[in-house]
Amino acid sequence: GIQVEQSPPDLILQEGANSTLRCNFSDSVNNLQWFHQNPWGQLINLFYIPSGTKQNGRLSATTVATERYSLLYISSSQTTDSGVYFCAGVNYGGATNKLIFGTGTLLAVQP
Amino acid sequence: GAVVSQHPSWVICKSGTSVKIECRSLDFQATTMFWYRQFPKQSLMLMATSNEGSKATYEQGVEKDKFLINHASLTLSTLTVTSAHPEDSSFYICSASSGPSNQPQHFGDGTRLSIL
Repeated sequence: GIQVEQSPPDLILQEGANSTLRCNFSDSVNNLQWFHQNPWGQLINLFYIPSGTKQNGRLSATTVATERYSLLYISSSQTTDSGVYFCAGVNYGGATNKLIFGTGTLLAVQP
Repeated sequence: GAVVSQHPSWVICKSGTSVKIECRSLDFQATTMFWYRQFPKQSLMLMATSNEGSKATYEQGVEKDKFLINHASLTLSTLTVTSAHPEDSSFYICSASSGPSNQPQHFGDGTRLSIL
């Protein structure tokens, strides 16, 4: 099945720093979502971004579907950005929109 | 919009009991609901997909008799962990989608299940 790899696996930032998280797919995906899982386990939907670029405040994301990757940019990081970031893509192998999750990037933002 | 409510958020129970987790879409009709399981420091793994009014489709390696899924209405799906054992302890998360396969999934807050 489709493989989703994220890099880096772990990242430590000082508050105020910028970062880029990457998501690579082994095969074509038709849709892509980025999530932030906070320390309490809640999954926050950041972006639904099958292609192109979107921005929401300090976060932005770019998906290049033809090259099978997506990037999540975090600018001016804050301690509340800490947690695990997942990307997930839909593999249309069947009749439903089955999301395949990436391996995750664990981000720790230090004050 | 697109709020999914999952209940309970935390369960601790004895080995051998059955536990039911509810997943509700509050402001949209969820044609399809999904159940995921997440072990500590790991990614989310899809357990099963359920469509309203039909039997759930389970992923390879997931015991359908162990994890009973019901999706009786367009706003409610339930996961029942039957005869739970300590190895069933995990974080369970549901998601819901409004229909066509190009629609995003919206996630509940998860249920932390601990079996003693």
